[in-house]
Amino acid sequence: EAQVTQNPRYLITVTGKKLTVTCSQNMNHEYMSWYRQDPGLGLRQIYYSMNVEVTDKGDVPEGYKVSRKEKRNFPLILESPSPNQTSLYFCASSWAKGREAFFGQGTRLTVV
Amino acid sequence: GQNIDQPTEMTATEGAIVQINCTYQTSGFNGLFWYQQHAGEAPTFLSYNVLDGLEEKGRFSSFLSRSKGYSYLLLKELQMKDSASYLCAVTGGYQKVTFGTGTKLQVIP
Repeated sequence: EAQVTQNPRYLITVTGKKLTVTCSQNMNHEYMSWYRQDPGLGLRQIYYSMNVEVTDKGDVPEGYKVSRKEKRNFPLILESPSPNQTSLYFCASSWAKGREAFFGQGTRLTVV
Repeated sequence: GQNIDQPTEMTATEGAIVQINCTYQTSGFNGLFWYQQHAGEAPTFLSYNVLDGLEEKGRFSSFLSRSKGYSYLLLKELQMKDSASYLCAVTGGYQKVTFGTGTKLQVIP
């Protein structure tokens, strides 16, 4: 089954404790993105990647890092999480520019 | 930058037709997406418009006017399961995508 898998689905952590949210897709897609979704603000793109070792900032990259060492994986790293990073996070992939994006199930992160 | 506007909420009756509008102002434009998102779930793709005009896909149609910076999503024969948020998104190069805040549609009997 074609899918995008994020882990964990839910995470509560403390300020400053580094964490990684994993994202993996099994569709051999070149393009992958990370979004955060907040009430009243909609989905905002954090980072995106056009291929292995090619990444670029979206609209809200501050406080986040990504890497794309393999085509299937695109982890999101929060080196020092803060409460304003409490949000619902989605990973997405698509096989080409302008094609439909497939979203993961979401990760609800709470930073206390 | 990108600025996308869509109504926050709409209510429509089962069996009816509803039109959800989206206006955008962008520094670069490649195409416009519509996604559906049920509460607590991930967005799912509905349509992608690049050229002006109407694209029909079953009960859903999407229209784009690039010169006016305007799009709409038309839902026909509304069903209760169509109650969801509808997200308009503009892509302006590579995979940089900007979403509107979404329109929450409630379908009532």
